[in-house]
Amino acid sequence: DVKVTQSSRYLVKRTGEKVFLECVQDMDHENMFWYRQDPGLGLRLIYFSYDVKMKEKGDIPEGYSVSREKKERFSLILESASTNQTSMYLCASSSPRQGSEKLFFGSGTQLSVL
Amino acid sequence: RKEVEQDPGPFNVPEGATVAFNCTYSNSASQSFFWYRQDCRKEPKLLMSVYSSGNEDGRFTAQLNRASQYISLLIRDSKLSDSATYLCVSSTDSWGKLQFGAGTQVVVTP
Repeated sequence: DVKVTQSSRYLVKRTGEKVFLECVQDMDHENMFWYRQDPGLGLRLIYFSYDVKMKEKGDIPEGYSVSREKKERFSLILESASTNQTSMYLCASSSPRQGSEKLFFGSGTQLSVL
Repeated sequence: RKEVEQDPGPFNVPEGATVAFNCTYSNSASQSFFWYRQDCRKEPKLLMSVYSSGNEDGRFTAQLNRASQYISLLIRDSKLSDSATYLCVSSTDSWGKLQFGAGTQVVVTP
């Protein structure tokens, strides 16, 4: 089974702090994604990557950046956390070999920015 | 306006009954459609793809109406374990970039 591991289940940070959310997948998937999920809004795509060193903006990239130095790892960075970035962050991966639309999600990181 | 709209519910369904719900999509360029399932406090998981001709997977039937731009999911003989939030998903490409609806909550009661 594919395993997508996010480094923290719960995280509390202060406004202005730099925040790193880490995601690792163990199935050699080419595609990796970062979503945030908010009540009533559903999942919104922040950034995605189809290959190492490659990144593309999703629908709501403002205030975020990403890094993909290795195929298995995709990091989400909040350069200066703000209260409106309090959310559930979900990392996902997929592969064209299994169908790119079959996303495997991590269990999520609930981030609270105070 | 969100690209994928869903009735949030909840749909309260007696065990053994049938429940059906729709979602609408606004982007006519959408090519592919899916239903994901998300249990409470868990991550979403792919339930099924939605094909133009309609498709079944056990007790679940998905339909696509391109003319009216909506997708439906029908659950027959509901089980308690079907209680979850069902996420409607569309895609305009084949690279896995998906648009998620906010979900429809289904609660199956004994």
